[in-house]
Amino acid sequence: QSALTQPASVSGSPGQSITISCTGTSSDVGGYNYVAWYQQHPGRAPKLMIYDVTNRPSGVSNRFSGSKSGNTASLTISGLQAEDEADYYCSSYTSSDTRVFGTGTKVTVL
Amino acid sequence: QVQLVQSGAEVKKPGASVKVSCTASGYMFGSYGISWVRQAPGQGLEWMGWVSAYNGDTHYAHKFQGRVTMTTHTPTTTAYMELRSLRSDETAVYFCARLWVGPTHSPDYWGQGTLVIVSS
Repeated sequence: QSALTQPASVSGSPGQSITISCTGTSSDVGGYNYVAWYQQHPGRAPKLMIYDVTNRPSGVSNRFSGSKSGNTASLTISGLQAEDEADYYCSSYTSSDTRVFGTGTKVTVL
Repeated sequence: QVQLVQSGAEVKKPGASVKVSCTASGYMFGSYGISWVRQAPGQGLEWMGWVSAYNGDTHYAHKFQGRVTMTTHTPTTTAYMELRSLRSDETAVYFCARLWVGPTHSPDYWGQGTLVIVSS
């Protein structure tokens, strides 16, 4: 199972919006509405930010939103803040009854 | 509150085995599963598999089949992941994460991670 494809890095200024893409295939992202997004700060465990493509867990800021079109899912962070600087990973359920993660995207707040 | 606390760092020689524990609290252990994910230094996340705390069912990622065993012990609300025949390129932080029902659901709460160093 190959990792989902994400851009290596995305940057933006405070207050701006950025979008991170996550491209898979019809056997994972495109085939199911089971895409999740995780935020990971250095040396820390991942934190669930979005599940089932668009849903936010309790306590996650509404500045984070998810969407999907075809084989590509996206995470949008609006009103970018310094604390959003972190690595972000997408994850999808697959036709092999397992999950696969994305390659990861480093978000830099300029 | 939901907490997953993992065992401490390990140093192993190539060819050895490691067993990492993950003790859960703050929720009904038997109603969820535990997934295991690893992260090599400076690399991304890699799904290893999951175990149901309800009935012990397991599902391992293809690349780990035959080398990994995931179990749970309900009385102590602890999950275990044993990886055998370790290679030096398997130095990584190993995470456990709570998983409801199965892999269609996203792991939500994560342990702090256990660093496993494989070196001769």
